[in-house]
Amino acid sequence: NAGVTQTPKFQVLKTGQSMTLQCAQDMNHNSMYWYRQDPGMGLRLIYYSASEGTTDKGEVPNGYNVSRLNKREFSLRLESAAPSQTSVYFCASTFAYEQYFGPGTRLTVT
Amino acid sequence: EDKVVQSPLSLVVHEGDTVTLNCSYEVTNFRSLLWYKQEKKAPTFLFMLTSSGIEKKSGRLSSILDKKELFSILNITATQTGDSAIYLCAVTHIFGTGTRLKVLA
Repeated sequence: NAGVTQTPKFQVLKTGQSMTLQCAQDMNHNSMYWYRQDPGMGLRLIYYSASEGTTDKGEVPNGYNVSRLNKREFSLRLESAAPSQTSVYFCASTFAYEQYFGPGTRLTVT
Repeated sequence: EDKVVQSPLSLVVHEGDTVTLNCSYEVTNFRSLLWYKQEKKAPTFLFMLTSSGIEKKSGRLSSILDKKELFSILNITATQTGDSAIYLCAVTHIFGTGTRLKVLA
């Protein structure tokens, strides 16, 4: 099992560009999450999906959209990137409250 | 507003010392409290606590939850340099800012 995978690992965008971060899990988990982690801020929830076909906003959803394509995949889209979105992005899936994290995507917006 | 607060924010100790990390929370619909260790990349799971007063142990690490006072502690005894990391506390999907622990040889 690969667990939770994320692509890309690194990305540099210019302000205003768009991109999609991909996440997939092979553990048959129902719930999936997108977090961002900034220095001194801990992990903050952007969006989550409790099950296939449903998505909900977390603490910091502005500037992002998500798609729960199927049970395995949960993507995060930045429509018009801003420097404030420079961060490390983690995807996670949940089994019995324990979250399994992907390796993260380091995004820089210039 | 739901929140999870960790203290101290950072800690520097020497190998062999014992450390106690604190986590307090104010969260509606509490189900569980989790501790994670984060080294260079993604957080990895340490403990899940759901009941008060029951200590969870794994080697030199242990943790306990007090649901009346709304806090948890994570203890690390006989610290080693490999314990250097950020320790995160979470209640469902709400994370604290973490405690950065550095263990000096």
